[in-house]
Amino acid sequence: AQSVTQPDIHITVSEGASLELRCNYSYGATPYLFWYVQSPGQGLQLLLKYFSGDTLVQGIKGFEAEFKRSQSSFNLRKPSVHWSDAAEYFCAVGYFSGGGADGLTFGKGTHLIIQP
Amino acid sequence: GAVVSQHPSWVICKSGTSVKIECRSLDFQATTMFWYRQFPKQSLMLMATSNEGSKATYEQGVEKDKFLINHASLTLSTLTVTSAHPEDSSFYICSAGKGASGGTFFGPGTRLTVL
Repeated sequence: AQSVTQPDIHITVSEGASLELRCNYSYGATPYLFWYVQSPGQGLQLLLKYFSGDTLVQGIKGFEAEFKRSQSSFNLRKPSVHWSDAAEYFCAVGYFSGGGADGLTFGKGTHLIIQP
Repeated sequence: GAVVSQHPSWVICKSGTSVKIECRSLDFQATTMFWYRQFPKQSLMLMATSNEGSKATYEQGVEKDKFLINHASLTLSTLTVTSAHPEDSSFYICSAGKGASGGTFFGPGTRLTVL
């Protein structure tokens, strides 16, 4: 079964500093990979996704992620964070089987704190 | 983009009652929808896969008789929590898929509180 590991439960970053959130997955094949952001009490907003092709994926809000097959990683980055980026970030892995799409498996999330 | 809505956004009910949550894909048709639950400060856990015109597929450990799922049309799936108890209090989120991208569009969630 697939699994997703986000090793950092909390991360504190100064506003304007760069950010990298880690994500590792365990899966037999190349999965579909996603990063979502969730503000308190809200649903999930898709930041970016990787299906195939270019391993560096650009997303919304200035985020990007790089798929590294050799490391089974899909780390999220942003060159300069803003106070509004404070939220919970989830990495997820999915699979598209012959019969259709499967549900996503989520990591436990990383809580991002932005300090002034 | 793709918009998924849920109704209601929050609900409070008494223990022993049933609650229905709707999930709609507003601008696309979804043959498959997914239901997740999220406990406070925890991650999302897939509960079941809702397939239009057929029975839902439940994840291990999820009681199918307690969490009834109906996918009556290509734009609507419902989750009914039957005989709700306080331990069912949670944030329920649905998602719907578009083609090969699968269930990548999430609804805003429904906060269920069982008293």
